[in-house]
Amino acid sequence: EPEVTQTPSHQVTQMGQEVILRCVPISNHLYFYWYRQILGQKVEFLVSFYNNEISEKSEIFDDQFSVERPDGSNFTLKIRSTKLEDSAMYFCASSEWDREGEQYFGPGTRLTVT
Amino acid sequence: SQQGEEDPQALSIQEGENATMNCSYKTSINNLQWYRQNSGRGLVHLILIRSNEREKHSGRLRVTLDTSKKSSSLLITASRAADTASYFCATSNNNDMRFGAGTRLTVKP
Repeated sequence: EPEVTQTPSHQVTQMGQEVILRCVPISNHLYFYWYRQILGQKVEFLVSFYNNEISEKSEIFDDQFSVERPDGSNFTLKIRSTKLEDSAMYFCASSEWDREGEQYFGPGTRLTVT
Repeated sequence: SQQGEEDPQALSIQEGENATMNCSYKTSINNLQWYRQNSGRGLVHLILIRSNEREKHSGRLRVTLDTSKKSSSLLITASRAADTASYFCATSNNNDMRFGAGTRLTVKP
């Protein structure tokens, strides 16, 4: 069964450094998303992406964040200058139709900012 | 806020019993979805119910939606120890999908 994959599974970085989290969505899916979950808290929507552009973003997704689909398979989330409070699990998801349909989630990347 | 809020926050039952989790939200929605998350893992989609539907079934899962009360419930029948996980409702309108804080379900063998 096709699945969303994410790399790395765990990323440790120092405050102020840039990180890129990578995702490979399911191949025939058209909509892509990033979410984050701070330890013990709820899953929070960051951004949705369709047709090579951002379709929606939350208030969390400020200028420090960017997303890119550099090729036909990868979908990346970049944090330019990490802060301690960026430490969280970051989940990528994709859906076949639109953002209101079933979303398939990857296993997540645990980001630790020290 | 559109996002759902689940209750209870935590639920502990014996294997074989039924588990009911509730979700309430505040604004109009197009659909509501339930997801499951095992500790430290990604979310797994369970079921989607559209705003014009009142009830859906999938295996041992039964979801209801009452748009007049802005609430939904997830019933897991004949629970198993493997059902132990956190369960989240997620609401969608024309903008984005928002998750609630989840219900932590523990099923004791």
